[in-house]
Amino acid sequence: AQTVTQSQPEMSVQEAETVTLSCTYDTSESDYYLFWYKQPPSRQMILVIRQEAYKQQNATENRFSVNFQKAAKSFSLKISDSQLGDAAMYFCAYFIIQGAQKLVFGQGTRLTINP
Amino acid sequence: GAGVSQSPSNKVTEKGKDVELRCDPISGHTALYWYRQSLGQGLEFLIYFQGNSAPDKSGLPSDRFSAERTGGSVSTLTIQRTQQEDSAVYLCASSLAGALGGSQETQYFGPGTRLLVL
Repeated sequence: AQTVTQSQPEMSVQEAETVTLSCTYDTSESDYYLFWYKQPPSRQMILVIRQEAYKQQNATENRFSVNFQKAAKSFSLKISDSQLGDAAMYFCAYFIIQGAQKLVFGQGTRLTINP
Repeated sequence: GAGVSQSPSNKVTEKGKDVELRCDPISGHTALYWYRQSLGQGLEFLIYFQGNSAPDKSGLPSDRFSAERTGGSVSTLTIQRTQQEDSAVYLCASSLAGALGGSQETQYFGPGTRLLVL
């Protein structure tokens, strides 16, 4: 079965500090994309960062970066200089390019930012 | 340009009634997806439309659920004879699928419809 596991239901961090959210996934496919989405209380799912599995270089988007370990099937998200506006649910997901055209999501991690 | 829009934002209905949820994708996006998010859970895939191809209905939980996409744009998700377990947030997403080298795999989400079945 294709699954995504986020082992941290909740995380908290002090404002301006760095936090890492973990994600592991299970797929037999070799060609896929990985995503982190953010969902604030407004319910809107917002794309945070994207990683192509064929790229060895870790994706970076401003204060957000990933640590992609393909062999270990691990895809963690690092948020640097945390801000109050980063508080949200964070979902890890993958998309198989030659498979069923759908995102497979983890259960999410609720991130709290302490002022 | 405008993002994905969904209506209504919230819907309260009585058990046994039918409901229709609407999704208006980003203009030019050929792929459209419906997901369901139950309380405190991740998103569960329901159905996928791509252009004029037959939709992938593999995620629909029962035959009470159906969806259509008219004119390759707006989509309607219909739930017949609603049950309390249908209460959830229904999210729609669209993507620019099919473009070689394009970001077809990046899905952009609407704000969702929160459905409450009493």
